[in-house]
Amino acid sequence: QTVVTQEPSFSVSPGGTVTLTCGLSSGSVSTRYYPSWYQQTPGQAPRTLIYSTNTRSSGVPDRFSGSILGNKAALTITGAQADDESNYYCVLYMGSGIWVFGGGTKLTVL
Amino acid sequence: QVQLVQSGVEVKKPGASVKVSCKASGYTFTSYSVSWMRQAPGQGLEWMGWVRGHNADTNYAQKFQGRVTVTTDSSTSTAYMELRSLRSDDSAVYYCARLGIAVTIQAHFDIWGQGTMVTVSS
Repeated sequence: QTVVTQEPSFSVSPGGTVTLTCGLSSGSVSTRYYPSWYQQTPGQAPRTLIYSTNTRSSGVPDRFSGSILGNKAALTITGAQADDESNYYCVLYMGSGIWVFGGGTKLTVL
Repeated sequence: QVQLVQSGVEVKKPGASVKVSCKASGYTFTSYSVSWMRQAPGQGLEWMGWVRGHNADTNYAQKFQGRVTVTTDSSTSTAYMELRSLRSDDSAVYYCARLGIAVTIQAHFDIWGQGTMVTVSS
C-alpha cells in the first residue's frame, strides 16, 4: 500500500522561509494527485490552505504557496509568523475514489 | 453561512457500533460529496471514506472496508458515518468534510465539521 510521506517536524525562524514536502513511498507526486494542504492547531478542525497543487483557499495569506518540487508536492511559507506554528497535513488523491493523508509535519516557529 | 455541524460526544463499549451525523447548511447538499476522516489522540489525520450527495455512491479506505458505512439523507442534508465492531483503537475525533461531487470538479476538502469525539472503553 502506498504511503504518503511528510517530514515529522521542521523549525523555522520568524520571518524565515520553510518548505514542507509531500512524497510517495513509491513513485512521484504530480498534479494528477490533486495535492492539497491543511493546517491544524491542537483541538481545532483542520483548515484548508492549498488545493489542486497551488491554489490558495479563500482567506489564506499569500505567504503560503504550493508547488511540485522534483518528485514531491511542496508547501512553502515565506515570512513565517508565530501563528504559523501548527501541524500541516498533505493529502493526495490516489484515484478510484481514494484519498491518503500524509503523517503530518509539526512546524515550530522559533 | 456554509457549514457542517456534527453530532456530539459518544462513549461506546468494545464491540458496539457508533453512528455520527454531519448536517450541512448554506449550500445545496446534493451538489457536493461528504468525506469522513478520523484522528486518534496525538496522531495524524486518516481518510476513511466518502459519499456522493446526489446518488449516495460510496468509496472506503481498504482499512475500513466491511466495518464502516457512510450514508446520506438528502431530505435533511445530513451525512452519517457508522463504524461497527468498535475497538479501543477506534477512539478518535471523527471529522466530516465537504468534497466535490466529482474529483475533476473539486478534489479537496474545503469545509470541515467541528469533529466528534468517540471513546471506546469497557
